[in-house]
Amino acid sequence: AQSVTQLDSQVPVFEEAPVELRCNYSSSVSVYLFWYVQYPNQGLQLLLKYLSGSTLVKGINGFEAEFNKSQTSFHLRKPSVHISDTAEYFCAVSKSQGAQKLVFGQGTRLTINP
Amino acid sequence: GAGVSQSPSNKVTEKGKDVELRCDPISGHTALYWYRQRLGQGLEFLIYFQGNSAPDKSGLPSDRFSAERTGESVSTLTIQRTQQEDSAVYLCASSSTPHLYGYTFGSGTRLTVV
Repeated sequence: AQSVTQLDSQVPVFEEAPVELRCNYSSSVSVYLFWYVQYPNQGLQLLLKYLSGSTLVKGINGFEAEFNKSQTSFHLRKPSVHISDTAEYFCAVSKSQGAQKLVFGQGTRLTINP
Repeated sequence: GAGVSQSPSNKVTEKGKDVELRCDPISGHTALYWYRQRLGQGLEFLIYFQGNSAPDKSGLPSDRFSAERTGESVSTLTIQRTQQEDSAVYLCASSSTPHLYGYTFGSGTRLTVV
């Protein structure tokens, strides 16, 4: 079975500072990896995904993530955050074959301070 | 429709009562998922429907929980004899090809058992 660990439950940063949200996964088979964002009082939106190919993937709103197979990580980064990036961020994994059920991490609450 | 629609958006029920939650997926989406999000926690997988295949019920926490879906249309999640620990936001998501397009989530039903 797959599992996801998001190492930080909360990350406070100042506006325009860089941020990294950490995600590690566990799986005995090859996987697809996703980051979803949940803005206050809204549903989840897909931020970016890794399926295959280049290990650096770019998503919406200036976010990017790097797949590191040896470290089983998929950390999310943004070089300069904005107040509007305040949200809950969820890392998720699914098997690349068979039923593609998503397994989510516990989430990281990103708070941007002015 | 344009998105995944869930109803009701909020439900307060007395302990011991049955509740029924509804999800209208995006037209043409063959895959439909139910997740539960308890306060301050990640998303917990409940059940997965894919076309006419037998559903993956491995995430249902007890036999008080059941879900149905007719074809590729509406799904209902039923919780019998509700308990206070059932209080959570219940999220529905649908997809045509999860690994290509990810899931589209509804805004959820916030269930409060008093």
